[in-house]
Amino acid sequence: DAGVTQSPTHLIKTRGQHVTLRCSPISGHKSVSWYQQVLGQGPQFIFQYYEKEERGRGNFPDRFSARQFPNYSSELNVNALLLGDSALYLCASSLFAGENTEAFFGQGTRLTVV
Amino acid sequence: AQSVAQPEDQVNVAEGNPLTVKCTYSVSGNPYLFWYVQYPNRGLQFLLKYITGDNLVKGSYGFEAEFNKSQTSFHLKKPSALVSDSALYFCAVRDLGGSSNTGKLIFGQGTTLQVKP
Repeated sequence: DAGVTQSPTHLIKTRGQHVTLRCSPISGHKSVSWYQQVLGQGPQFIFQYYEKEERGRGNFPDRFSARQFPNYSSELNVNALLLGDSALYLCASSLFAGENTEAFFGQGTRLTVV
Repeated sequence: AQSVAQPEDQVNVAEGNPLTVKCTYSVSGNPYLFWYVQYPNRGLQFLLKYITGDNLVKGSYGFEAEFNKSQTSFHLKKPSALVSDSALYFCAVRDLGGSSNTGKLIFGQGTTLQVKP
């Protein structure tokens, strides 16, 4: 079975531009979460979606938005990019949204803002 | 608020020796704890979780973790380290705050494990 797949793997953008990151969860998984991992730190929660509805949002500005599609894949959008948005963006999928459920992560998208 | 702390930035062990990577947590209510490993330029791989039950949890690749409620710790252990275990290890706790169950994970800062031949 395919794991969590993210695209693209690497991306270079200029300040002020916008970016769209994509994630396909493990087959059968209905929940997708997005995390930002800045170099040298642990991942920080951005969003969780379950059954196409937003279930949670982390402490990120409104420039960050996301959605989940009927096939449970997801997009993370970031507008008006700042240098500080440079990070590894991780997508995680899980069967459900519950506290018992482990999350499985993709390889991430490395975003560099110049 | 839920939080986890990994007090060591780096742990060095010799191959074949036992290893311990420390994690302490702070939660209101029952803790849901996880360990993940991250290899260079890769995402996180799930190792094990504690939800309830036995305090010693067994996971992937020979790793195990010991849950200690009185010390609020969840240390990762392996009886005999391999060079290939060298990686970045993250402890995480499920955030159960708020009005809805988000499934949000709160991660520690990570501990780099270096296993030398």
